[in-house]
Amino acid sequence: GEDVEQSLFLSVREGDSSVINCTYTDSSSTYLYWYKQEPGAGLQLLTYIFSNMDMKQDQRLTVLLNKKDKHLSLRIADTQTGDSAIYFCAESKSNTGKLIFGQGTTLQVKP
Amino acid sequence: EAGVAQSPRYKIIEKRQSVAFWCNPISGHATLYWYQQILGQGPKLLIQFQNNGVVDDSQLPKDRFSAERLKGVDSTLKIQPAKLEDSAVYLCASSLNFDTEKLFFGSGTQLSVL
Repeated sequence: GEDVEQSLFLSVREGDSSVINCTYTDSSSTYLYWYKQEPGAGLQLLTYIFSNMDMKQDQRLTVLLNKKDKHLSLRIADTQTGDSAIYFCAESKSNTGKLIFGQGTTLQVKP
Repeated sequence: EAGVAQSPRYKIIEKRQSVAFWCNPISGHATLYWYQQILGQGPKLLIQFQNNGVVDDSQLPKDRFSAERLKGVDSTLKIQPAKLEDSAVYLCASSLNFDTEKLFFGSGTQLSVL
């Protein structure tokens, strides 16, 4: 089946690290994504990881993938107030382009 | 590089009325998607085009929703007649091809059905 689950809310202090977690059910997923959505805006692709990788780092962002447990996480180092947004985890299957999204995690960054 | 363009930005209609949304994908992108995002949920795929052909419309409520991409570039999504539960943000996305890892999203059209 196709199901992506995320916790709904995370609150951190500015300068701390944030870790947003996601679980998925479809082991045939090819790519896993993290998108950011600010109020009134579309979805911004933050980063993605191919399913044969277990880690990807991109500046302040670190993605960890545990294929055995079907668990994906996004770590944001030195979280800033501008990081406040909704973060969506999504999976896709090879040769389809179709994305299955989680319900989103609202990240609140307190000064 | 211009992004995915959508219009209108907002639309308010009464139930049973009709509405249409327009999307212009990134130049050269063969694959175009329409997603529906209900408040508090993640986006859900409604329909996927490859050039001017439909690849996947399994989640499209075909009794009231229709979409076309006649020349393989711009696309329109129509709802006729609208129901209260159609209130949502309608997001258009495009990618170079269906097997690429990058989808780019427009800012969406926020529809309110009263």
